[in-house]
Amino acid sequence: QQQVKQSPQSLIVQKGGISIINCAYENTAFDYFPWYQQFPGKGPALLIAIRPDVSEKKEGRFTISFNKSAKQFSLHIMDSQPGDSATYFCAASSGSSASKIIFGSGTRLSIRP
Amino acid sequence: EAQVTQNPRYLITVTGKKLTVTCSQNMNHEYMSWYRQDPGLGLRQIYYSMNVEVTDKGDVPEGYKVSRKEKRNFPLILESPSPNQTSLYFCASSSDGQGRFYGYTFGSGTRLTVV
Repeated sequence: QQQVKQSPQSLIVQKGGISIINCAYENTAFDYFPWYQQFPGKGPALLIAIRPDVSEKKEGRFTISFNKSAKQFSLHIMDSQPGDSATYFCAASSGSSASKIIFGSGTRLSIRP
Repeated sequence: EAQVTQNPRYLITVTGKKLTVTCSQNMNHEYMSWYRQDPGLGLRQIYYSMNVEVTDKGDVPEGYKVSRKEKRNFPLILESPSPNQTSLYFCASSSDGQGRFYGYTFGSGTRLTVV
C-alpha cells in the first residue's frame, strides 16, 4: 500500500514530441505528489509538485495531471527537447509527520534530435 | 551556494573493509537522509535523521550505520561492506521530512563498488 508504481521504465521520444510518464499509488492518505529530475552524474532535483486539490499543474513545458479517483498522476513534457533527457522519479507522501516520501522506480527519458 | 556535499564521488573497496561516506549540508536543514539508487528499484531510503542525535531506519538499513552529531553532517558507515552494497548512494537534506516546501536537496552521489 505504500508503493508508488511508475511506468514506463524507459522512454524514447522524438524532439518536439510529448513525453508522458505515469505513476499510480494505493495509499489514499497521500496528499503531496512531486516529480524529481535527475541528469547523469547528478542527484535528483525537484521539478514540479501537485497536491490533490487540483487536477492539473503546469510550469512551462511541464504539466502534472492528477486523477484522484483513479489514484494516478502523470508528467507530461510538451515540445520535448534533447536537454530534457534525464531520469524522472515520481513520488508521494502523506501529511502525517511520521510519514515519509515514497519514490517510484524511475523512468529514463531520451529525446532524439 | 546552497548544497549537499558528498565525498568521495567514486570508491572501489574490498569486501569487509570498513568505509565512511561523508555528507555535509550548508542550509541549516534539520532533516537529512541517505538513499541508494539501483536500476529498476529507484531510490530506496537507508537511514534518515530528523535532527541532531535523532536517527531512524529507512527501508533498507541492513549493513549500514549513521550518526548525526552535528546538524550539518550525516556520515554513512559501512562496517563490513559486501558486494550487494555496490550501488549509487545519495545524501539528501530538507527543511521538513518530506521536502514539501522546497523539495529535497540531493548531493551529487557516491558510486561505490565492493569487490
